[in-house]
Amino acid sequence: GAGVSQTPSNKVTEKGKYVELRCDPISGHTALYWYRQSLGQGPEFLIYFQGTGAADDSGLPNDRFFAVRPEGSVSTLKIQRTERGDSAVYLCASSSNRAGNTGELFFGEGSRLTVL
Amino acid sequence: KQEVTQIPAALSVPEGENLVLNCSFTDSAIYNLQWFRQDPGKGLTSLLLIQSSQREQTSGRLNASLDKSSGRSTLYIAASQPGDSATYLCAVIPYNNNDMRFGAGTRLTVKP
Repeated sequence: GAGVSQTPSNKVTEKGKYVELRCDPISGHTALYWYRQSLGQGPEFLIYFQGTGAADDSGLPNDRFFAVRPEGSVSTLKIQRTERGDSAVYLCASSSNRAGNTGELFFGEGSRLTVL
Repeated sequence: KQEVTQIPAALSVPEGENLVLNCSFTDSAIYNLQWFRQDPGKGLTSLLLIQSSQREQTSGRLNASLDKSSGRSTLYIAASQPGDSATYLCAVIPYNNNDMRFGAGTRLTVKP
């Protein structure tokens, strides 16, 4: 696609429910990143994929958070047993970097998650 | 751990003014630094990317400089316009990993 696409744009759920957020990166971009942004803060790194593998998942806050990218393109961020503190905007970015050298990042519009 | 700080947190200027936004980082071993713009409720739009070997980049009315040794970058906006009103974020990527670190941003308001 022309840009990074994220769905849904908004998600409201109840505490304890399971949520999936989808990211469709720019075609051909091998690197994909997930970030979380709380109100008034800069984005916080969650996980980075190079191809199909998670090259760095050190930013995932706990084991309720998991992300996959099975075919090296679309990625899904999965949150189990959601808590009110998970409410934030989840941003996805992609880059055409290869061999570990990071190039310019392009972000999607984000998925706003609200946990009631 | 890399820490990125942006000053000021908010800035309000009249239309037409030239202005400077500041970004500082604690670890000078960076691969690149990127400036973004974020409008309310939107994602991040890339403005300028400076590789570690570069000193500055220019795009239209925007000029970004990088001084790695002092851990500083500035974003200069010339002849500001109301449409420039947004939050401006700087982010750095270290050499040894891909964990891009962001500052909290500067919220800019340009009054007509």
